[in-house]
Amino acid sequence: RKEVEQDPGPFNVPEGATVAFNCTYSNSASQSFFWYRQDCRKEPKLLMSVYSSGNEDGRFTAQLNRASQYISLLIRDSKLSDSATYLCVVNRGTDSWGKLQFGAGTQVVVTP
Amino acid sequence: DTAVSQTPKYLVTQMGNDKSIKCEQNLGHDTMYWYKQDSKKFLKIMFSYNNKELIINETVPNRFSPKSPDKAHLNLHINSLELGDSAVYFCASSQDISSYEQYFGPGTRLTVT
Repeated sequence: RKEVEQDPGPFNVPEGATVAFNCTYSNSASQSFFWYRQDCRKEPKLLMSVYSSGNEDGRFTAQLNRASQYISLLIRDSKLSDSATYLCVVNRGTDSWGKLQFGAGTQVVVTP
Repeated sequence: DTAVSQTPKYLVTQMGNDKSIKCEQNLGHDTMYWYKQDSKKFLKIMFSYNNKELIINETVPNRFSPKSPDKAHLNLHINSLELGDSAVYFCASSQDISSYEQYFGPGTRLTVT
């Protein structure tokens, strides 16, 4: 089983609609969770951290479910500029300094 | 101002050659990383340096040798290149060893023919 699994998509979303997708992780010792965004042929960039209580940043909402070992990302009022690959990122445990495990990404395509 | 820069951006070379990729960050960060992103898009950590000291060395062939002349630079030298080394190599940095917010360079697309 992969350490971090994501539905590769693509999720085709009309502009203005809401899209949500999950990511599951296998290491129950993982403490920190993130969503990164990667545009085509570009570098990954941190989108947001994911906190236990869930958190929101503008149109983006992230949730963590430790019991079921998944995190989710919801994008409201999708913009064309939201088209990208969203990488789920998990640290490998409390003694794994800097060791982030990246998922292969979920592709989102926002259409006019 | 580019925070994390890499050179070259593209590298096409033949099997068996030796090549280097350079990385520099001007963020004042203590920790730097090399990642490999293969054709399946998985980003895998290869190495990490903290204040010029190697702290992460994943199971990478010893043909790959990182070098950190100072904490703002982390270079990657690859000997005897193989077809399977074709990938995008990303350099990244973070404030310190315990920070998980990493800033990535633009990547070096390596093609081995």
